[in-house]
Amino acid sequence: DAGVIQSPRHEVTEMGQEVTLRCKPISGHNSLFWYRQTMMRGLELLIYFNNNVPIDDSGMPEDRFSAKMPNASFSTLKIQPSEPRDSAVYFCASSPSLGLAGHNEQFFGPGTRLTVL
Amino acid sequence: QKEVEQNSGPLSVPEGAIASLNCTYSDRGSQSFFWYRQYSGKSPELIMSIYSNGDKEDGRFTAQLNKASQYVSLLIRDSQPSDSATYLCAVKGDMRFGAGTRLTVKP
Repeated sequence: DAGVIQSPRHEVTEMGQEVTLRCKPISGHNSLFWYRQTMMRGLELLIYFNNNVPIDDSGMPEDRFSAKMPNASFSTLKIQPSEPRDSAVYFCASSPSLGLAGHNEQFFGPGTRLTVL
Repeated sequence: QKEVEQNSGPLSVPEGAIASLNCTYSDRGSQSFFWYRQYSGKSPELIMSIYSNGDKEDGRFTAQLNKASQYVSLLIRDSQPSDSATYLCAVKGDMRFGAGTRLTVKP
């Protein structure tokens, strides 16, 4: 089975440009998470969806960031306009279900390394 | 802000020794706890999950959970150089990760 798929794997852009990151979760998983990882701040949860509905977006840094999940097999994270401080590795992860005991294990994609010049 | 704290690294142990990684969390309502391993330049991968107080063993790995003390740990027995990585503690009450502990196992 294919794991979580992210594209692009690397993105270099200039400040002020729009950036769109894409994610395809594992088939059958109904929770999807977007994380950002930097050396300074570690792995930060940005937003997560359950059954395509955003549940918690409190980690989204500011209005420049937006995320959508139009269907169960696709999600995007958009940054507009991008700034140099957005440079980081962005991970998408999916999970089978929330479950009664809490959230199940997450499976991470390979990440998108974003560099904003 | 709910917190997940990990013991600061880096941690260096000789090959064959036991590596001990620790994590504390602030949300008493947390139900699920996970340890992920992340090699440099790679994505995190799950190595252990634990939901109940006590120990859970899987090969050379043992996870320990104490909900009363809000403490979860990971022991790696017979450490190997291939265990050298950053280990992330995750508390799934709110899906927060600790900052990670970098482990180096020296041959």
